[in-house]
Amino acid sequence: AQSVTQLDSQVPVFEEAPVELRCNYSSSVSVYLFWYVQYPNQGLQLLLKYLSGSTLVKGINGFEAEFNKSQTSFHLRKPSVHISDTAEYFCAVSGAGSYQLTFGKGTKLSVIP
Amino acid sequence: ETGVTQSPTHLIKTRGQQVTLRCSSQSGHNTVSWYQQALGQGPQFIFQYYREEENGRGNFPPRFSGLQFPNYSSELNVNALELNDSALYLCASSPLAGAVDTQYFGPGTRLTVL
Repeated sequence: AQSVTQLDSQVPVFEEAPVELRCNYSSSVSVYLFWYVQYPNQGLQLLLKYLSGSTLVKGINGFEAEFNKSQTSFHLRKPSVHISDTAEYFCAVSGAGSYQLTFGKGTKLSVIP
Repeated sequence: ETGVTQSPTHLIKTRGQQVTLRCSSQSGHNTVSWYQQALGQGPQFIFQYYREEENGRGNFPPRFSGLQFPNYSSELNVNALELNDSALYLCASSPLAGAVDTQYFGPGTRLTVL
């Protein structure tokens, strides 16, 4: 079984400042890792995913994440945030070949003008 | 725009009633998964259907059931509604069974149970 811990429930950050949203996971098998974004009253949009290979993964909207196997982490970063990045962000894990995603509880990112 | 649609967008029911939520998958996607997202929580996996058969199930009771049709549409049925069934219900479709890395989510149906 897998589990995900998102260490911050809310992250306020000023516009054009960098941001890091933290995610730790636990699993006894090889994993796939994902970050999703959810805007108010909408479904989930995939930002990026790690399946294998390079540990630095680049996604949409200028986001990137780094897979760290020794620290079981998959933190999401953006060097300069915009007002439109205000949303809730979910980290998710899946065992390789599994049919289900296990999500964290989410981090609400608020970008302050 | 993912090509995955859900209906209705909002629904209000009373405790004990039954509800059917609908999802239309992206064309060619023969796998659909359903998730429940309670307020302030991350989505939780309910079950997955592949080629009209249940392919896997999360920790949800049997009163949660599903159907998948050949035309890429599917249904989530919940019987004997309870107050804590109030949530956003998301469906996700993918072209391969078990392929969570290629699944696309719909916008969700928000169910309120009074």
